[in-house]
Formats: sequence, structure tokens, C-alpha cells
Amino acid sequence: GAGVSQSPRYKVAKRGQDVALRCDPISGHVSLFWYQQALGQGPEFLTYFQNEAQLDKSGLPSDRFFAERPEGSVSTLKIQRTQQEDSAVYLCASSPLGDRGTYEQYFGPGTRLTVT
Amino acid sequence: AQKVTQAQTEISVVEKEDVTLDCVYETRDTTYYLFWYKQPPSGELVFLIRRNSFDEQNEISGRYSWNFQKSTSSFNFTITASQVVDSAVYFCALLNYGQNFVFGPGTRLSVLP
Repeated sequence: GAGVSQSPRYKVAKRGQDVALRCDPISGHVSLFWYQQALGQGPEFLTYFQNEAQLDKSGLPSDRFFAERPEGSVSTLKIQRTQQEDSAVYLCASSPLGDRGTYEQYFGPGTRLTVT
Repeated sequence: AQKVTQAQTEISVVEKEDVTLDCVYETRDTTYYLFWYKQPPSGELVFLIRRNSFDEQNEISGRYSWNFQKSTSSFNFTITASQVVDSAVYFCALLNYGQNFVFGPGTRLSVLP
């Protein structure tokens, strides 16, 4: 399809497990963003890539969170030793330009992570 | 500091009624962008509109209209003749140049048949 895709759509993990969430941005989009959306709240910024370079990771809540985009297209958000407070929807978005300050972002459907 | 407030947590209207969703923002920057996104039950955020801080002209797109007023730091969204398919959570967002999106908490709109 032409949009941003994410997999899996749903993930249940036991506390302490590691998880990996995948994002396929729109082809050719330079910028890629990850957000965390807690229940009943708006998305909160986690990290930003311009091509393969991670230019901003100021929103990552702890060093258990790690993101990569090695070839400038697909991105993976990894959470190590998951905790219950990590339960949320993780949204990925892409934007055609490298200038994150001006352009709208196109969002994927998200991955709902539940940590039990 | 940047902040977006959507004071209405939930709104219910009957089909064909008009409804306005409020958005108030805070920023010290002079160059910024305001957005509205729709999040249907499927979860995907759908882009509706972008407005830059230098353009206060109101905009109409079909049944949707937006009222941007810098004097009150507001960017309100009106749906005219609402339809059941408009039921969703609507987010207002602020984007300062070169920085990251700041989303409001969202307003859940239910349009009843």
C-alpha cells in the first residue's frame, strides 16, 4: 500500500520481555518519527530520524528504549525488559522532507503493546 | 514552553448538528504551525489541516472549517451538519519550526444517528 505500515498491530508481552516494533514508512520519505500514545491521551514524541541518522531521541523515556533505521527506510523500535508502564500504542509517522519543522506527518495505524 | 489544550474531553451531538472543537495553544515562537488530525477507531491519525502562524485566514473545506485567531491563541475546528462517520478522536497539534509535534489530549466526538 501507499501508506505507513506497522507490525505487529497488537503485541502482548510479559513483564521483562524484549519487544521489537516495526515501521515501514512511505517510500521515499526522508523523515521518520516514533510516538507513544497512552490510553486517552495525545501522542508524545519519542525519536526522529532523517534518513538513517537519528537526530533527536530526547523523547525516549529510558535507556530500555532503542530505535534504529539502518538503511534509511524501515525502522525498528526496541524495548528491552518491558514494564507495565510501557503499555501504550506506538505510532510511527513519516514525512517527505528532511525539515521536520514544517510539514505534515503521515501516520501508521500503530502497534498496541500490552505488558502483563 | 509549548502546550496545547483541548478543554472538551468528549462531545456528543445528533447527526446534522454543527459542532465546534476548541483548541488553545501556548508558544513563545513567532514561527509555528498548527494542525488538526482525526483518529478514527482504526487508530491511524488522519491529517486534516495545517496552518502557519503568519496566515490567519480562516479556511473552509466542505463541511469542515477552521478559525485561527492569534489574539486568543486559538485554532478552533467546526464541523457543519455532522455525520456518523465524523465520530472519532480529534487532536490539535502545535509544531514549532525545527522542533517536535506537541499534541493536545484530544476531543472524542460521538455523532449519534
